[in-house]
Amino acid sequence: DVKVTQSSRYLVKRTGEKVFLECVQDMDHENMFWYRQDPGLGLRLIYFSYDVKMKEKGDIPEGYSVSREKKERFSLILESASTNQTSMYLCASSFQGIQPQHFGDGTRLSIL
Amino acid sequence: SQKIEQNSEALNIQEGKTATLTCNYTNYSPAYLQWYRQDPGRGPVFLLLIRENEKEKRKERLKVTFDTTLKQSLFHITASQPADSATYLCALDMSLIKAAGNKLTFGGGTRVLVKP
Repeated sequence: DVKVTQSSRYLVKRTGEKVFLECVQDMDHENMFWYRQDPGLGLRLIYFSYDVKMKEKGDIPEGYSVSREKKERFSLILESASTNQTSMYLCASSFQGIQPQHFGDGTRLSIL
Repeated sequence: SQKIEQNSEALNIQEGKTATLTCNYTNYSPAYLQWYRQDPGRGPVFLLLIRENEKEKRKERLKVTFDTTLKQSLFHITASQPADSATYLCALDMSLIKAAGNKLTFGGGTRVLVKP
């Protein structure tokens, strides 16, 4: 079974802090994704990567950056956390092409 | 702009009945559509994928249809059970330029509650 592991289930940080969310997948997937999920707004794509060191902006990249130095690991970085970045963050991975995405169980991030 | 709409109201249904969910999209012609299930506090789990040249796809008690003329997909859960209670999300690749990235856009989801 595909396993997508997110480093924390719950995280509390302060405004202005630099925050790192880590995601690791064990299925040799080329593609990795970061989403945030908010009530009433659904799942929104922040960034995705289709290869090591490659990244593309999703629908809401502002305030975020990503890093993919190894195929199995995709990091989401909040450069200077703000309260409007309080959300559930979900990581996913997939093979290239028309393939299902496999999700982690999310990190609930609170910015105080 | 491109849009995916799912009924935001919860669907309450009696055990044993068929639940039918809709997913409508505008201003785009996707090559395929996917359905996911999400339980509270968990990430979405893939259920079914249907391509534009497929009218119907089945998996156990689940059935998906895809009408590219109506720009609509229907998701059916037959002989529903309380364990089917969850939120169901549809997703389409709505990127204008097809990269290798399989970039999906998700609908807001419909919550289903199956009562015993």
